[in-house]
Amino acid sequence: SQTIHQWPATLVQPVGSPLSLECTVEGTSNPNLYWYRQAAGRGLQLLFYSVGIGQISSEVPQNLSASRPQDRQFILSSKKLLLSDSGFYLCAWSVAGTAHLDFFGQGTRLTVV
Amino acid sequence: DAKTTQPTSMDCAEGRAANLPCNHSTISGNEYVYWYRQIHSQGPQYIIHGLKNNETNEMASLIITEDRKSSTLILPHATLRDTAVYYCIVRVRNNAGNMLTFGGGTRLMVKP
Repeated sequence: SQTIHQWPATLVQPVGSPLSLECTVEGTSNPNLYWYRQAAGRGLQLLFYSVGIGQISSEVPQNLSASRPQDRQFILSSKKLLLSDSGFYLCAWSVAGTAHLDFFGQGTRLTVV
Repeated sequence: DAKTTQPTSMDCAEGRAANLPCNHSTISGNEYVYWYRQIHSQGPQYIIHGLKNNETNEMASLIITEDRKSSTLILPHATLRDTAVYYCIVRVRNNAGNMLTFGGGTRLMVKP
């Protein structure tokens, strides 16, 4: 069966520090991978999606970047965090060629102080 | 993607059916209706989806009106663990490039 792992679960980082959140998927090949952010009391906002290794599409301009170094690995990064980067970050995957999202990670709650 | 409208919050007694409405009057012919829920501080959980016909699975039933402009998610016997925010989304299924956009959803509170 397919599983998705996302870590860490919680993170407190100072302003200006770097960020690296990792997401890996098991049990499937060539998945579409996604990073979402949810601000407090708000809906989910799509940040990045990837349909293959090295292929990254960004939905909104921001202080963040994403990379997909391996087929089932998706990384969210920042060189210098801002206070506004605080939020709940979710990784998700779907079967290649579809947007039918069956699986989300458990999320990372990032607090920038 | 078509916009959806859901009530902000609803209450339901434990053991009773929870009926969560969703309006999607601008839905296109190739857009599916998806329902997800999000329990506090967890990732969204897929519940069910449909195109035209009513659907049922182990979690819920989805009733879509004939004109497809609205739908209702039914949890037949709500439990306290069903307390969550429920999101109704409409979108094309085979398009990875324009992803699911979650609106505010309906906050369902199941009470004993």
